[in-house]
Amino acid sequence: GAGVSQSPSNKVTEKGKDVELRCDPISGHTALYWYRQSLGQGLEFLIYFQGNSAPDKSGLPSDRFSAERTGGSVSTLTIQRTQQEDSAVYLCASSSSGTEKTQYFGPGTRLLVL
Amino acid sequence: GQNIDQPTEMTATEGAIVQINCTYQTSGFNGLFWYQQHAGEAPTFLSYNVLDGLEEKGRFSSFLSRSKGYSYLLLKELQMKDSASYLCAVRDTNTGKLIFGQGTTLQVKP
Repeated sequence: GAGVSQSPSNKVTEKGKDVELRCDPISGHTALYWYRQSLGQGLEFLIYFQGNSAPDKSGLPSDRFSAERTGGSVSTLTIQRTQQEDSAVYLCASSSSGTEKTQYFGPGTRLLVL
Repeated sequence: GQNIDQPTEMTATEGAIVQINCTYQTSGFNGLFWYQQHAGEAPTFLSYNVLDGLEEKGRFSSFLSRSKGYSYLLLKELQMKDSASYLCAVRDTNTGKLIFGQGTTLQVKP
């Protein structure tokens, strides 16, 4: 597609359940980033992929969070045993080069943990 | 540490000019970005500065002073549709990740 896409657009889950969020980057973009935006907060970095490897996972808030990328394209962010504080908008961005090019954001997944 | 500061809220009048400031202290610097974000939508790219000076793009301009750790976004001929949050972000040298400020919510009034 022309832009970054994410699914689902909205997700409501119960505390303790696992959720999986998907990101389809712009075709050909090798760098992929996950960010989180909590209500009233700025965007915070979660994880960076270059190809299928993740050289920077420093933003993942706990070991309940994990992410993978396959085929240098689609990425999934998994949150296990969700907590209410995980409620946020999860945004994915991609760029053609991690350090030199502009990042373009997807529409985000709005996660609500009840 | 990493610190990016911008005002939380600003109000301006339709047709006027507004300047949104951003100051930063980061361990690395590989460019400063401004994004616009309407409520409930994804951030959209506005401008990018890596060298000192002014970058102009239509009604929007962005300025950078690396020695002062300072940038501003200038919006001219304000329109009602410019009401949004404006996000200042510094790009990390090693990974390209963006470090964001809290965002400035701009309200344009008639």
